[in-house]
Amino acid sequence: AQTVTQSQPEMSVQEAETVTLSCTYDTSESDYYLFWYKQPPSRQMILVIRQEAYKQQNATENRFSVNFQKAAKSFSLKISDSQLGDAAMYFCAYRSSYNTDKLIFGTGTRLQVFP
Amino acid sequence: GAGVSQSPRYKVAKRGQDVALRCDPISGHVSLFWYQQALGQGPEFLTYFQNEAQLDKSGLPSDRFFAERPEGSVSTLKIQRTQQEDSAVYLCASSSSGGDNEQFFGPGTRLTVL
Repeated sequence: AQTVTQSQPEMSVQEAETVTLSCTYDTSESDYYLFWYKQPPSRQMILVIRQEAYKQQNATENRFSVNFQKAAKSFSLKISDSQLGDAAMYFCAYRSSYNTDKLIFGTGTRLQVFP
Repeated sequence: GAGVSQSPRYKVAKRGQDVALRCDPISGHVSLFWYQQALGQGPEFLTYFQNEAQLDKSGLPSDRFFAERPEGSVSTLKIQRTQQEDSAVYLCASSSSGGDNEQFFGPGTRLTVL
């Protein structure tokens, strides 16, 4: 069975600075998808960025980028130029390419942004 | 356009009561998922529909949990004889199809069992 681990329960960053959130996963599959989701206090989960395992190039979405290390099974999220609105819970998630499209989530990292 | 909606947003039930949670997916979305999110945890998969067919219910924690999507649109998650451990936020998500299509989440229903 696949698992996702987020070892940082809480992180903090100063506005305009850069922060990196860690995620590791375990799988025996060769093809899969990885995601970072943001959950603000209102609870609605929003997709931040996705990565296909077969793509070597790291995904980037504006201020958000990932460092995908397939051999190490590591998938970290870098937030550049942090903004107050980035404060939220961040969840790393895994989805298999071979069966149900269900997402397997980590336990989350709470990001605080200080002015 | 309208996103995924869920009702009620909050539900308080006495232990032993039955509850029904509703999910309205984005119009035209084929796939629908239910997740359970306990306090301080990540969401955990409960069940998955493709149109009206329930293709995966491996995450349902007991036979007290039942989900349906009879016309391939609105879905209802029913919990019978609620227990305190059922207290959680129940999230619904929908997507247009499989592959790498994004799952769009609703705001969730917070269930508290007293």
